[in-house]
Amino acid sequence: EIVLTQSPATLSLSPGERATLSCKASQSISSYLVWYQQKPGQAPRLLIYDASSRATGIPARFSGSGSGTDFTLTISSLEPEDFAVYYCQQRSNWPPYTFGQGTKLEIK
Amino acid sequence: QVQLVQSGAEVKKPGASVKVSCTASGYTFSNYVIYWVRQAPGQRLEWMGWINAGNGNTKYSQKFQDRITITRDTSASTAYMELSSLRSEDTALYYCARDYTRRIAGIFDLWGQGTLVTVSS
Repeated sequence: EIVLTQSPATLSLSPGERATLSCKASQSISSYLVWYQQKPGQAPRLLIYDASSRATGIPARFSGSGSGTDFTLTISSLEPEDFAVYYCQQRSNWPPYTFGQGTKLEIK
Repeated sequence: QVQLVQSGAEVKKPGASVKVSCTASGYTFSNYVIYWVRQAPGQRLEWMGWINAGNGNTKYSQKFQDRITITRDTSASTAYMELSSLRSEDTALYYCARDYTRRIAGIFDLWGQGTLVTVSS
């Protein structure tokens, strides 16, 4: 089973700043990495699939990069609505699909 | 409106079973795969299984293989997830989700609102 490790656990930034979130896989997953955003009391929301493809309706300030074992989600300029928990998920080697433990992006 | 609507919260005793429903609207139910994912308190999201809503084929996580059954009723555009032999560790929010594509891509796009299952004696 592929283990995904996200860092940092918590990221404290201000609106307008750039956010960089990391996800590392225990073995190569090519580009089969997905990112989600989850706000309190809501289901996860698909942001990025296959490492760098934005899902329908996702703003351009969200971007993803990486391949193999190291991946990054970047939010270029934080909006107030971007403060949430972010999860990565691999779809390369399944079953099972696995998720990271999440990064909480909080307002500084 | 394209959406998945899940059944309401459940409280079960250890050893019992629970069956959660997920009703689709706004799209052709049989064209997509439905996944089940759970989120226990303080734990990461956990994939449980999927069903091809068109042909009824299923695949389960080995962790739940002996206790989970996923079915669907195409006439009702509804998928079901039944988990048996419940224990306290099964207390979680259970989500259904639709694939982003019309294949088994493992990209969870449209999500239900979640169903809280509490296992307590």
